[in-house]
Amino acid sequence: DARVTQTPRHKVTEMGQEVTMRCQPILGHNTVFWYRQTMMQGLELLAYFRNRAPLDDSGMPKDRFSAEMPDATLATLKIQPSEPRDSAVYFCASGPEAGGYTIEQFFGPGTRLTVL
Amino acid sequence: AQRVTQPEKLLSVFKGAPVELKCNYSYSGSPELFWYVQYSRQRLQLLLRHISRESIKGFTADLNKGETSFHLKKPFAQEEDSAMYYCALSTFNNAGNMLTFGGGTRLMVKP
Repeated sequence: DARVTQTPRHKVTEMGQEVTMRCQPILGHNTVFWYRQTMMQGLELLAYFRNRAPLDDSGMPKDRFSAEMPDATLATLKIQPSEPRDSAVYFCASGPEAGGYTIEQFFGPGTRLTVL
Repeated sequence: AQRVTQPEKLLSVFKGAPVELKCNYSYSGSPELFWYVQYSRQRLQLLLRHISRESIKGFTADLNKGETSFHLKKPFAQEEDSAMYYCALSTFNNAGNMLTFGGGTRLMVKP
């Protein structure tokens, strides 16, 4: 049963520190998404990759956030420097695409980030 | 710009009561809508999609283009239905195809 995996599951850090979150998409899925979940905003799309190329990161604060896919089995989301307002659950999702259409998104378990 | 609105952050019902989770959308293109569910301590997962016109775990949702709504309904709620529910709209832009989620509704089914 293939699943999206994310590490770490929990992260507590101090303001100003760098945070790196990792995601392993399901093998064969060519689209990868990063979301942030908060009580106030719900699920917000941060970044979107297709075939490892970034397509849309308009939802991401550019000055401190960066998202990459070094290879097809790894997606990373970095925050540098982190701030208390970044505290949230960060989800990665992957999906198979056909004809430019992502049929379904499969979500990872999330990384719960707390910035003190 | 596309938008998905779930007006209720929390919906509390008794077991056996009917439940309706509201979802409204705005989108200039042809809408395709989904409901995702997140049970306690589990990951977000697809519940149903409007094009399938299916009933999953007793839930149904009908797309009403006139009212721009995609409400999720179940005639008799069960305690195991307690979860966070997200309505999502599939959209296309220059970047490709992505989902826009609503703010979510937490459903609590009381015994």
